[in-house]
Amino acid sequence: QVQLVQSGSELKKPGASVKVSCKASGYTFTRYAMNWVRQAPGQGLEWMGWIDTNTGNPTYAQGFTGRFVFSLDTSVSTAYLQISSLKAEDTAVYYCGRGDRTGYYDYWGQGTLVTVSS
Amino acid sequence: EIVLTQSPGTLSLSPGERATLSCRASQSVSSNYLAWYQQKRGQAPRLLIYGASSRATGIPDRFSGSGSGTDFTLTISRLEPEDFAVYYCQQYGSSPETFGQGTKVEIK
Repeated sequence: QVQLVQSGSELKKPGASVKVSCKASGYTFTRYAMNWVRQAPGQGLEWMGWIDTNTGNPTYAQGFTGRFVFSLDTSVSTAYLQISSLKAEDTAVYYCGRGDRTGYYDYWGQGTLVTVSS
Repeated sequence: EIVLTQSPGTLSLSPGERATLSCRASQSVSSNYLAWYQQKRGQAPRLLIYGASSRATGIPDRFSGSGSGTDFTLTISRLEPEDFAVYYCQQYGSSPETFGQGTKVEIK
C-alpha cells in the first residue's frame, strides 16, 4: 500500500537550518509529483510548491523562495524539504503530499512539526 | 491567484443530520479541478473528493461533491460521529494551487 513517512519533530533555534524527509513506498516514486504544504498552529493549509520527481525540477510558491529548497534522493524514494535561516514564523507542521497527474493530493505524509524557538 | 472562500466557518450539527459546505472561487476553476479534504485534529488531511465530484478510493457514499465554475459544494448526507472535523477545498487547475480557509463541522 502507498505510504509517505516523514521524519520526526524538530526543535531549532532561530537562524538554524532543518531538513525534513518524506519517504515513499508502495508505488513507483518517479511517476508522481511530490508537493509540500505548510500548516501554521491553528491555521489552514498553505501550498509551498512541488517537485517533479522525474526531473528533480522544483516549483516554489510565492513566499517560499530563497530559504526553502526541495530535493530528492530517488535511490531511496525520498523527498526532502530544507529550510534555512529559520525564523519563529516558520513554526508549523509541514506535510508532503503525493500529486496525481492532474494535481490533487491522494496520499499525505503524517506531518513533521518544526518548532523554532530560542 | 484564485482565492477560495469557504462558508460557513463553523457548522454545528447533530449526528444523522445533513451537512452542506460551500466553496466559492474568485474566478472559474479550470477543468473543475476542485478537491475536498477532511482533517481531524492532530492528523494529516485526507482526500475525499477530486474533480469536483469524484469520490476518492474508500470514501463512503454519504460524501458527495457538486458544482462547477466558481461554486462548489460538499454534502455529507447523514453525519456519522467520525465526520466531525475540518474540511478544506483546494483548486489545482491553475498555479498557484490554493486552499480555502476551512469549515469546521462540530457536534451541536
